[in-house]
Amino acid sequence: DGGITQSPKYLFRKEGQNVTLSCEQNLNHDAMYWYRQDPGQGLRLIYYSQIVNDFQKGDIAEGYSVSREKKESFPLTVTSAQKNPTAFYLCASSISNQPQHFGDGTRLSIL
Amino acid sequence: AQSVTQLDSQVPVFEEAPVELRCNYSSSVSVYLFWYVQYPNQGLQLLLKYLSGSTLVKGINGFEAEFNKSQTSFHLRKPSVHISDTAEYFCAVTERGFQKLVFGTGTRLLVSP
Repeated sequence: DGGITQSPKYLFRKEGQNVTLSCEQNLNHDAMYWYRQDPGQGLRLIYYSQIVNDFQKGDIAEGYSVSREKKESFPLTVTSAQKNPTAFYLCASSISNQPQHFGDGTRLSIL
Repeated sequence: AQSVTQLDSQVPVFEEAPVELRCNYSSSVSVYLFWYVQYPNQGLQLLLKYLSGSTLVKGINGFEAEFNKSQTSFHLRKPSVHISDTAEYFCAVTERGFQKLVFGTGTRLLVSP
């Protein structure tokens, strides 16, 4: 079955550490997205990529970085510069003019 | 810039009762509109979408929504809810031809027996 796989489901980070969240899709979608979800705030866009080797900042990109070396993969790195990283992170993908498909998310917590 | 307002953060309802979850948007251009559902600790699942055509849109699980351009609204309705409909519901908007989604803050639907 085609879909979006996010791993791990739960992730813990120590202060000052960088961590990378994985997002892989086998839907052959061109566009991929990362969102952050906090209680009562809905989803906020961190980064998005419409084609391989290209990506743009979303509304809350500070403290995050991404890469898009392959069509199927769009990993998100939460750097130590992100002062409040505890959140639920969702990856999505889409093709032109079609709704986004979402993965099941990664919950990041600070130790 | 687009924005989405979901006025109700939580809607309690009894099983088999009807429900309406409200969504209003603002945009200076034509838009696509979506409703997504999220069950605990899961991703978002598309319930329905409005792209063009009929303003009454039917989705999965018996849900429907009506696009009202003059009211800039896209309210979600179900005539009879089930316990399994307990979840968080998100309204989202995007400009036509552009993929960036803007989400509302969500409405938690709580269905009790």
